[in-house]
Amino acid sequence: EIVLTQSPATLSLSPGERATLSCRASDSVSNYLAWYQQKRGQAPRLLIYDASNRATGIPARFSGSGSGADFTLTISSLEPEDFAVYYCQQRSRWPLTFGGGTQVEI
Amino acid sequence: QVQLQQWGAGLLKPSETLSLTCAVYGASVSGDYWSWIRQPRGKGLEWIGELTYNGRTDYNPSLESRVTISVDTSKNQFSLQLNSVTAADTAVYYCARGSAVASHWYFDLWGRGTLVVVSS
Repeated sequence: EIVLTQSPATLSLSPGERATLSCRASDSVSNYLAWYQQKRGQAPRLLIYDASNRATGIPARFSGSGSGADFTLTISSLEPEDFAVYYCQQRSRWPLTFGGGTQVEI
Repeated sequence: QVQLQQWGAGLLKPSETLSLTCAVYGASVSGDYWSWIRQPRGKGLEWIGELTYNGRTDYNPSLESRVTISVDTSKNQFSLQLNSVTAADTAVYYCARGSAVASHWYFDLWGRGTLVVVSS
């Protein structure tokens, strides 16, 4: 099973700042990695798929990069609604797995 | 607009069977891929299994011996059964749709989640 390790566990930033979140896979997942945002009490929302493609309706301030085993989600300028938990997920190898999450807090 | 509405028993005793249903509105359950995903409180996400558009199912090996995902096309619903539950199965359970644009292994539409607590 592919283990996804996200870092940092918590990221404390202010609105307007840049957020850089990391997801590292225990083996190569090529570019088959997605990012989700989850706000408290809500279901996750798909942000990025296949490492760098924004999902429908996702603002351009969200961008993804990386391939192989190292991936990054960047939020160029944090809006108040961006403070949430972010998860990565791989579809390269069975079974699908998710990372443990990074909380972006004010 | 496609929506998922889910429901099921929220409190179970150890050894009982978890049963949840997800109704699909605005799309056909036979036209897409559908998954169940769970999240223990305060923790990360775990994929449970998938129902394909043609009725095939695939399960996470860690749960495969206890899980059944089934479909009722007449009601446009799909369901999750998890046998012999323990406290470790306490979680919020989500139904979700596999993305038709990205890949059915990514999830672009989610139900609101159902909290299931297993306690004696």
